[in-house]
Amino acid sequence: KNQVEQSPQSLIILEGKNCTLQCNYTVSPFSNLRWYKQDTGRGPVSLTIMTFSENTKSNGRYTATLDADTKQSSLHITASQLSDSASYICVVIDRNQAGTALIFGKGTTLSVSS
Amino acid sequence: NAGVTQTPKFRILKIGQSMTLQCTQDMNHNYMYWYRQDPGMGLKLIYYSVGAGITDKGEVPNGYNVSRSTTEDFPLRLELAAPSQTSVYFCASSPFRDPEAFFGQGTRLTVV
Repeated sequence: KNQVEQSPQSLIILEGKNCTLQCNYTVSPFSNLRWYKQDTGRGPVSLTIMTFSENTKSNGRYTATLDADTKQSSLHITASQLSDSASYICVVIDRNQAGTALIFGKGTTLSVSS
Repeated sequence: NAGVTQTPKFRILKIGQSMTLQCTQDMNHNYMYWYRQDPGMGLKLIYYSVGAGITDKGEVPNGYNVSRSTTEDFPLRLELAAPSQTSVYFCASSPFRDPEAFFGQGTRLTVV
């Protein structure tokens, strides 16, 4: 069964510090991988979209990396802010699905404290 | 600039009652989806639609029904509510396959 595993489950950091979130997946073949940010009580919002041929993509203070050989992705957050407190969800697209199958990880809950 | 709109935001149902969760998008997207998110779990696909008049089951369709009579609307129907359907429901839309999906704000449903 296709899986998307994220680590750590939760993380607490001080404002201004950097952090890295991990995503390992077994979905194959896949068309792209996305990182979403979900604020408490809100719907997920896309941060980055990466195809299997891309290694790195940045969106402001967020940088995503992808290693398609090892099936690993990471999301690096630089100079964290209080507003970064949220759940970060890794999503992989299963190309074998007739429709479109977004396989969601369980997310990493990030808390940024002052 | 509404995007994907879900109603209601909150609802409490008694076991055996029925209800419809509404979802409307104004981006002219072909693809629409319904997900449920249980505490500490990833989003699970309930149903999806690739265009008006076309729907298909996702990973967890039991206990739900959908229809897609227009491009804009994709309602989710619960016929006989059960406690296991207590969850947060998200509707999403996208312009084509393998795209960026835009999510609504969610409906928090409690079945007691």
